[in-house]
Amino acid sequence: GAGVSQSPRYKVAKRGQDVALRCDPISGHVSLFWYQQALGQGPEFLTYFQNEAQLDKSGLPSDRFFAERPEGSVSTLKIQRTQQEDSAVYLCASSLNGGRANEQFFGPGTRLTVL
Amino acid sequence: RKEVEQDPGPFNVPEGATVAFNCTYSNSASQSFFWYRQDCRKEPKLLMSVYSSGNEDGRFTAQLNRASQYISLLIRDSKLSDSATYLCVVNGGGGFKTIFGAGTRLFVKA
Repeated sequence: GAGVSQSPRYKVAKRGQDVALRCDPISGHVSLFWYQQALGQGPEFLTYFQNEAQLDKSGLPSDRFFAERPEGSVSTLKIQRTQQEDSAVYLCASSLNGGRANEQFFGPGTRLTVL
Repeated sequence: RKEVEQDPGPFNVPEGATVAFNCTYSNSASQSFFWYRQDCRKEPKLLMSVYSSGNEDGRFTAQLNRASQYISLLIRDSKLSDSATYLCVVNGGGGFKTIFGAGTRLFVKA
């Protein structure tokens, strides 16, 4: 079956541009996570959705970062006025249930480069 | 202090060797624990969950020590295909935040 997909796979933005990153989770998965992964580091939690509800956004680094999942399936991570420090791989993951003990299935990521 | 700490390595071992990775976590209220594997320029994938009683899956054994807030992963009879970064993951302890360690790099050589 289809896994988690993300688009675009690669994005180059000029500093100050807005970008939108899309995540299509596995169909029927309740939970959706966004992570930021810098080179040589582990993924850093950004935000968590349970269906359409954003239950945890404690990891969003600034108010330039905004995420939504309006219909409880596809999610978009938006970064406004991008900065060079935003350059990273943005990973989306989904899991079947709302509990914390479930396996997360990751998408291939979007590699964002801000010039 | 980071919430989840791992030795970054790299660990360079010959095929057939046994290698062990350790991980410590700071939040005593943490509830779920995992090891994920990440190949170069790929996404992380679940290797195994970690239970208080310890668990084994083939050549892999995971242990959890809640008193010491310590998780371990043992790989026996290492294969070339085990070369990857191993990420220690901790869940719970407030909110829905999933915390990943920075990863331990393993290179298995012929």
